[in-house]
Amino acid sequence: GAGVSQSPRYKVAKRGQDVALRCDPISGHVSLFWYQQALGQGPEFLTYFQNEAQLDKSGLPSDRFFAERPEGSVSTLKIQRTQQEDSAVYLCASSLALSRFTGELFFGEGSRLTVL
Amino acid sequence: AQTVTQSQPEMSVQEAETVTLSCTYDTSESDYYLFWYKQPPSRQMILVIRQEAYKQQNATENRFSVNFQKAAKSFSLKISDSQLGDAAMYFCACFYTGANSKLTFGKGITLSVRP
Repeated sequence: GAGVSQSPRYKVAKRGQDVALRCDPISGHVSLFWYQQALGQGPEFLTYFQNEAQLDKSGLPSDRFFAERPEGSVSTLKIQRTQQEDSAVYLCASSLALSRFTGELFFGEGSRLTVL
Repeated sequence: AQTVTQSQPEMSVQEAETVTLSCTYDTSESDYYLFWYKQPPSRQMILVIRQEAYKQQNATENRFSVNFQKAAKSFSLKISDSQLGDAAMYFCACFYTGANSKLTFGKGITLSVRP
């Protein structure tokens, strides 16, 4: 597609439910990032993929968070047993560059998760 | 660890006027990149401008320019001839070229443009 596509755009979950958020990056983009953006805050890094390899997952807040990118394109961020503090916008970004340092990041519109 | 600070939560500018958004950062690294991202209400962030720390010349992109003061660790964004479409949240961000580097964002500033 022309840009980074995320789905669902909005998700309401009851506390304790599992959710899955999908990111479809720009075709051919090697690098993929997930960020969490709480209300009124800047995005916080969660994890980074280069192709199918998850090279950095140090930003994942707990073991309830899991991300995958099995074929090096579409990525899924899964949150198990959601808690209220998980409520945020989850942003996906992709980059053409092999290096995580130099490429311009292209962001999706985000998935807004609300946990009741 | 690196930090990015945007101390002004909101700013307002008259259409066609110039506004400057402030940002300071703190990193112990010598090689790093600085960015300004714009996030309109639709929430899709787009890159406004980037600056390589090793370059002394301030980056410029049309109406957008930066004032990069490396010694002071300051990286402000100047928007000239402000337009209604410039209204958005603006985030300053930084990362250094080291292992496990992460793009670190500031808290952002909401810019409104008065017609």
